[in-house]
Amino acid sequence: DVVMTQSPLSLPVTLGQPASISCRSSQSLVYSDGNTYLNWFQQRPGQSPRRLIYKVSNRDSGVPDRFSGSGSGTDFTLKISRVEAEDVGVYYCMQGTHWPWTFGQGTKVEIK
Amino acid sequence: EVQLVESGGGLVQPGGSLRLSCAASGFTFSSFWMSWVRQAPGEGLEWVANMKPDGSEKYYVDSVKGRFTISRDNAKNSLYLQMNTLRAEDTAVYYCLVAASARGGFDSWGQGTLVTVSS
Repeated sequence: DVVMTQSPLSLPVTLGQPASISCRSSQSLVYSDGNTYLNWFQQRPGQSPRRLIYKVSNRDSGVPDRFSGSGSGTDFTLKISRVEAEDVGVYYCMQGTHWPWTFGQGTKVEIK
Repeated sequence: EVQLVESGGGLVQPGGSLRLSCAASGFTFSSFWMSWVRQAPGEGLEWVANMKPDGSEKYYVDSVKGRFTISRDNAKNSLYLQMNTLRAEDTAVYYCLVAASARGGFDSWGQGTLVTVSS
């Protein structure tokens, strides 16, 4: 199975400051169709997850532009340009390239 | 508006069985691969199973293979997960999803249904 490794697992951030989460996969996530199926999900406290980013860098509808995704192959990053209070929660990277599809362990973002 | 409403969770003893249901609306259910994803209390997410629109292909994560069966009724816009020989480690909130969520298609999550396996 493809192992998704996130770091850090805990990320205290000051409001208005940037934040960055790294995600590394144990295999390349480039699929046979040329796409890289790397997604980022956000789970706010007490809520179901929702997707923020799909195919590495595409923001979902309604996702603020302070969220951005980048990377290629096995190395990916989610960045929040200026953290707001509503960004508190757990962030998961997830690969949809190799079955079984797998998630990272999650990174808990909290306000300092 | 896409809606996915899971039901059927509850408390079950180890070794027991449970059948989860997911009622889908707001999209052409019969055209989409569907999935189950679970989350143990306080833990991360695990993608459990996928199923092709016509039911001809099914995929399972190793931890549930041989014990869980994903199925669907396209006439009723419903997805199911039959869970047998349940173990304590199957305790989780179970979500149904459109599989395309993992590949750039639309993403929609219900509230999930909690399964607790305990004596």
